Amino acid sequence: DTAVSQTPKYLVTQMGNDKSIKCEQNLGHDTMYWYKQDSKKFLKIMFSYNNKELIINETVPNRFSPKSPDKAHLNLHINSLELGDSAVYFCASSQDFAGKSTGELFFGEGSRLTVL
Amino acid sequence: AQKVTQAQTEISVVEKEDVTLDCVYETRDTTYYLFWYKQPPSGELVFLIRRNSFDEQNEISGRYSWNFQKSTSSFNFTITASQVVDSAVYFCALSEAWRNTPLVFGKGTRLSVIA
Repeated sequence: DTAVSQTPKYLVTQMGNDKSIKCEQNLGHDTMYWYKQDSKKFLKIMFSYNNKELIINETVPNRFSPKSPDKAHLNLHINSLELGDSAVYFCASSQDFAGKSTGELFFGEGSRLTVL
Repeated sequence: AQKVTQAQTEISVVEKEDVTLDCVYETRDTTYYLFWYKQPPSGELVFLIRRNSFDEQNEISGRYSWNFQKSTSSFNFTITASQVVDSAVYFCALSEAWRNTPLVFGKGTRLSVIA
């Protein structure tokens, strides 16, 4: 069984469209994340949820809206897609111990978004 | 704020050479974790090692070894007798445990091993 799974793996869409990427983890972890990897391979945190609550929201346009229906799922919805949104989006999860994280992240395989 | 610097953007070596990837970090916390991840051409992120700030022992795992030195805030990664399959982008990362901050990555070093 895949520990952290994302769908779709590839997504090609037109500017202005709205799209979603889904993420599920079966590790029983409390915290989930979305990272964006740009064309230069730079990995940057976008959001973090702990037990369905948003705890980190970096300077991301509000066209990006994460949704966590339960602690095993963290979906990413993007409105009005722009060319600059083209990237690989990685979902990850981690287990926190008494609120202090060891920091180890388990990553999904990534979702490559191409905006035309 | 936490920061990770990987000064080497790209490295090319010939197979069987040894190669060291540098990582320098900044943090105000006394308790933190350092990581290395590998991203092969297939794109997934593969966990290699985690080291906590209280453990400065060097670690060896097969052809991989890691040198953690708090005095210089460095956590360098050496591949001995490199192989073509080692070709990948390697990321160093830092997490400040007590602030519960997410993993912050360096910009990565692209390693190309030529046969």
